[in-house]
Amino acid sequence: NAGVTQTPKFQVLKTGQSMTLQCAQDMNHEYMSWYRQDPGMGLRLIHYSVGAGITDQGEVPNGYNVSRSTTEDFPLRLLSAAPSQTSVYFCASSFGTSSYEQYFGPGTRLTVT
Amino acid sequence: EDQVTQSPEALRLQEGESSSLNCSYTVSGLRGLFWYRQDPGKGPEFLFTLYSAGEEKEKERLKATLTKKESFLHITAPKPEDSATYLCAVQGGSEKLVFGKGTKLTVNP
Repeated sequence: NAGVTQTPKFQVLKTGQSMTLQCAQDMNHEYMSWYRQDPGMGLRLIHYSVGAGITDQGEVPNGYNVSRSTTEDFPLRLLSAAPSQTSVYFCASSFGTSSYEQYFGPGTRLTVT
Repeated sequence: EDQVTQSPEALRLQEGESSSLNCSYTVSGLRGLFWYRQDPGKGPEFLFTLYSAGEEKEKERLKATLTKKESFLHITAPKPEDSATYLCAVQGGSEKLVFGKGTKLTVNP
């Protein structure tokens, strides 16, 4: 199993540009989530999904959009990038419709100039 | 609102010097408390889940304990490879995990 994969690993955007961070898992996990990690702030939940076709907002959802058309994929879209979205983004998944024992991807380091 | 506070922010130990990390929490209806380890430049790696006060779990040199207000991660005779940031998270009544800011542990040889 590849586990949780994220692409790209690094990305630089200009203010106002849009992009999609990709996340995929091959463990047949129902629960998937996106976090951002900033120095001194810890991990903060952006959006999560308890199964295909079901998504919900986390703690910091503004400026981000998600969809879950398959069990395997959970892309995160930045609609119009802002410098405040400079961060490291982690995707995670877990068995069942719960956050128990989440498996994290390697992260995407995003810089918005 | 669920909250998690970890202390200390950073901890330096000599190899073999045992210590504990603290995770204080407030949550409505605890469904689980989680410990993760995070190495620089990598995603967090799951260590333990604790579900109820009094529960303990062990893995190599690590032991996690839980009370109604806090959890401790005890590190016995640490080695340099135990150096990492240790994250605590709680799940209350929702499907969301709330993380603390972490404790950065450095173990010097």
